Amino acid sequence: AQSVTQPDIHITVSEGASLELRCNYSYGATPYLFWYVQSPGQGLQLLLKYFSGDTLVQGIKGFEAEFKRSQSSFNLRKPSVHWSDAAEYFCAVGRINEKLTFGTGTRLTIIP
Amino acid sequence: EAGVVQSPRYKIIEKKQPVAFWCNPISGHNTLYWYLQNLGQGPELLIRYENEEAVDDSQLPKDRFSAERLKGVDSTLKIQPAELGDSAVYLCASSLGALANNEQFFGPGTRLTVL
Repeated sequence: AQSVTQPDIHITVSEGASLELRCNYSYGATPYLFWYVQSPGQGLQLLLKYFSGDTLVQGIKGFEAEFKRSQSSFNLRKPSVHWSDAAEYFCAVGRINEKLTFGTGTRLTIIP
Repeated sequence: EAGVVQSPRYKIIEKKQPVAFWCNPISGHNTLYWYLQNLGQGPELLIRYENEEAVDDSQLPKDRFSAERLKGVDSTLKIQPAELGDSAVYLCASSLGALANNEQFFGPGTRLTVL
């Protein structure tokens, strides 16, 4: 069965510092990979997705993620975080006509 | 363009009472999803509709949960009777199609508290 692991429950980063959120997956084949962000009281918004091709994917709000097949990882990065990036981040995996499986999320706190 | 609309945003009920949640997807989106999000967890799919047909309801607890999408547009999710463990956020999402490369757009959710 597919699974997604986000090992960091909570991360605190200073504004302007770089960010990396970890995501590891277990799947029978290379799945489609997604990162979503959820602000308090809001629904989830898609940041970026990987289906195939270039393993470095650019998303919205200055985020990027890198797919590493050998490590079964899809880590999210941002070179310089802003206070508005404080939110919950979810990694998800899926395939055609299969449901998305979400990780448990990483809560990001930004300190001035 | 309006996003996915859900109502109510918050609901507090006593256990054993019924409750219903409503979702209006983005216009033109044929696929509609209901997710359950427990505190500190990621969303888990309850049911997926293709137009008015429920094509994946394997995770829906059918003894107390029901859903409908009669005209293939808006949808209602019902719980009867509610239990304490049903306290969670219920998210609705929609997409143009069911393929994984079709982005799912999420509503703000309904936060249910069962006392």
